[in-house]
Amino acid sequence: LAKTTQPISMDSYEGQEVNITCSHNNIATNDYITWYQQFPSQGPRFIIQGYKTKVTNEVASLFIPADRKSSTLSLPRVSLSDTAVYYCLVGGTYKYIFGTGTRLKVLA
Amino acid sequence: EPEVTQTPSHQVTQMGQEVILRCVPISNHLYFYWYRQILGQKVEFLVSFYNNEISEKSEIFDDQFSVERPDGSNFTLKIRSTKLEDSAMYFCASRNRILEETQYFGPGTRLLVL
Repeated sequence: LAKTTQPISMDSYEGQEVNITCSHNNIATNDYITWYQQFPSQGPRFIIQGYKTKVTNEVASLFIPADRKSSTLSLPRVSLSDTAVYYCLVGGTYKYIFGTGTRLKVLA
Repeated sequence: EPEVTQTPSHQVTQMGQEVILRCVPISNHLYFYWYRQILGQKVEFLVSFYNNEISEKSEIFDDQFSVERPDGSNFTLKIRSTKLEDSAMYFCASRNRILEETQYFGPGTRLLVL
């Protein structure tokens, strides 16, 4: 199973774009990459998922290079309410490994 | 929007006691999961369940743990004899079908073992 590594923490200011990278060198062919947001004492909340190239939805973009050994979550114009822990999740079907999580703090 | 629900939200128990954590997955989902999160740590996979049997389990999921889908809606995690180190937040998640890898998580049950 792919082990994932993320920066422990990041600070940003309101209105800025934030990019969080996850490293997953041993990703398997069938694994998808999913990013979750977690607030204290709450369950992880789905942000975005991808397999390769670029995926965009109404809240984020996900960039996955051709070798799929890393992925970057991009949050455009963050606000104070985006302060949370962001997890990269790699897996397929039956077993998933969460990354270490990146604690994002958005400053006014 | 359908969501995963979990009960109870909080549970306090004495070491050695059995606890059952309950989850109601989203109704048309087929794959079910339990995770735990010790305070201040990352989310850890415990077990996955499909077609009424365990599909995968982690090394954390030892003989003290069991899962069950007793009816068409509930999915339970039982810890037979709780230890202090079982104190954590336990999350249930469910997923629809094999082509959609997105898991949806419940709000969690905070278990405190004294």
